[in-house]
Amino acid sequence: GNSVTQMEGPVTLSEEAFLTINCTYTATGYPSLFWYVQYPGEGLQLLLKATKADDKGSNKGFEATYRKETTSFHLEKGSVQVSDSAVYFCALTVSGAGSYQLTFGKGTKLSVIP
Amino acid sequence: DSGVTQTPKHLITATGQRVTLRCSPRSGDLSVYWYQQSLDQGLQFLIQYYNGEERAKGNILERFSAQQFPDLHSELNLSSLELGDSALYFCASSGSTGGLQGYTFGSGTRLTVV
Repeated sequence: GNSVTQMEGPVTLSEEAFLTINCTYTATGYPSLFWYVQYPGEGLQLLLKATKADDKGSNKGFEATYRKETTSFHLEKGSVQVSDSAVYFCALTVSGAGSYQLTFGKGTKLSVIP
Repeated sequence: DSGVTQTPKHLITATGQRVTLRCSPRSGDLSVYWYQQSLDQGLQFLIQYYNGEERAKGNILERFSAQQFPDLHSELNLSSLELGDSALYFCASSGSTGGLQGYTFGSGTRLTVV
């Protein structure tokens, strides 16, 4: 089956620190990979995506590169802000009989302190 | 506003009762997905509908059912409720390209069973 493993949280960083959240996956078939972000009290928002190997997804200063050889999709940001405090979910989907259900990791809570 | 509307935002009910959660997808989206988010299980896929038809089923209990109506809104029915059903229930929608480009999530319904 499909599964996503991401680093356990919580992660606490000072403002302007470098962020890495690790994500690895197993998939039957060729997956598309995603990072979603959930701010307190809100639903999930798509942060970035990559649909094939070596693609780099980027948005709002966040980046992640689809690495097929290591089955990884690590999230990075060079300088975090307090407003980046949220829970981050790595996810994948593999097309199967027309269904694109997402398989999520357990989430990593990030807290950024001034 | 993501364009996906979920009602109600909060629901408190007693064990053994039945509730209905409603979701209106983003305009033009044909697929609706239901997810359950709990602290211990994370985000679990329940069921997907595409243009009124069930497309995929995940970890959905027999006490739960869903449907998608001709106007594309969807309802998730939860019956014989148990304490363990307390969770956040999210609806998401995607367009004709399916979930390969990611979903748009609603802000969720928080269900508390007492």
